[in-house]
Parts: sequence; C-alpha cells; structure tokens
Amino acid sequence: NAGVTQTPKFRILKIGQSMTLQCTQDMNHNYMYWYRQDPGMGLKLIYYSVGAGITDKGEVPNGYNVSRSTTEDFPLRLELAAPSQTSVYFCASSYSTTGGNSPLHFGNGTRLTVT
Amino acid sequence: DAKTTQPNSMESNEEEPVHLPCNHSTISGTDYIHWYRQLPSQGPEYVIHGLTSNVNNRMASLAIAEDRKSSTLILHRATLRDAAVYYCILILTGTASKLTFGTGTRLQVTL
Repeated sequence: NAGVTQTPKFRILKIGQSMTLQCTQDMNHNYMYWYRQDPGMGLKLIYYSVGAGITDKGEVPNGYNVSRSTTEDFPLRLELAAPSQTSVYFCASSYSTTGGNSPLHFGNGTRLTVT
Repeated sequence: DAKTTQPNSMESNEEEPVHLPCNHSTISGTDYIHWYRQLPSQGPEYVIHGLTSNVNNRMASLAIAEDRKSSTLILHRATLRDAAVYYCILILTGTASKLTFGTGTRLQVTL
C-alpha cells in the first residue's frame, strides 16, 4: 500500500515555463487536496476535489489549475511559472471530510524552484 | 472561521512527557480536532484526532477540554524522533475549502 505518491520530488523551472505535478493515491479516497508550503510557514490550500470530475478553489488558487478524471489521480498544473510559485507542494487525500472523522494522508512533497 | 492558536516552539528532554497545547475558542459543535506532525523534509503525518472525549493511540494521547475550546497533545515519552512541527487543525464539517494549517509548534527534544 503506497499511500499518496507525488512526482517529481524536485524540479527547477524557468520563468514562464509550465509543468504538471503528479499525485496519485491507492486508498480509494474520494477527497484530494493540493497545498503549498513556503519556508517557515504553514500549509495553504490551493485546490481540492471531493470526487472524480469535481474540483474547487482553496485559499490560493491563482496561477494553478487542476483536474480529477479518476479517483486515484489529482494533477496540479502550473501554466506560466513565476518566482512566487517557488515552494514545496504537498498532495493529500482523505476518505471524507463531511464528518471531520477522516485523517488526511500526505505525500512527501515536490520541491519546486522557479528562477 | 474557526482558528487554532499554538505556541511557536517548545522544548523537552528525551524520555520525558510533552504536553502541546492548542486553543480553539471558536470551535463549532461538529468540528473534529486533528493533530499532525511534520518531520524535516517530509509531508505532514497524522497523529490523532477527536471530537469530545479524550483519545489514545500508539503515538500519543489527545486531551480535550470539557468546553472543547482547547486541547492538548500528549507525547508520553519524547524521543529524538519526535522533534517536529506539530499542527493542530479543526476539520470543519462539510467545508473542505477551509482545511488550512497554521504555523504549528516546533518541538525540540534534547538528550
């Protein structure tokens, strides 16, 4: 049971380039999330999904896009990378948050640098 | 929005108990209290969660105040491997968009 898997682990982008951060989970969780964590800060929610075909914005969605075509996968797309998007990105999943009784499971993150 | 307040940092000696406090004075009746920890260069890891009653698991205990406006994560015997940032968050019923983390408490464990 791999849990939540994120790829790549590290990436350096030039300003204006685009890339997709991959996230997959094998726990059949319906909820998935993308967070970013800047140095010394907490995690901020970018986008989330409550099931295949359903996504919604979190606290800091600008500059990002997501899709959820399957239960397992929740990729995060950066279209025009900017230095402000230099951060560590974490993907998470949970069975449900409607009752708050489901723990979040996190991946080990993607460290992205935009120069 | 219900928010949590934690001390920025705490220190403990190895093999001693650690009590990590969290204030959540605006908690709603159906909000669960969750604790996560983040080791260096890793993603957050689930520790424990509860609603009203105290909870125990193999990692820690969670003590919830009777009025639910505060809680305490208890590590019974701290080890060097427990050095991490500990986050207390409220999972708001039906509001996945509000799942944000504060800066947590950085726990240092010394010999």
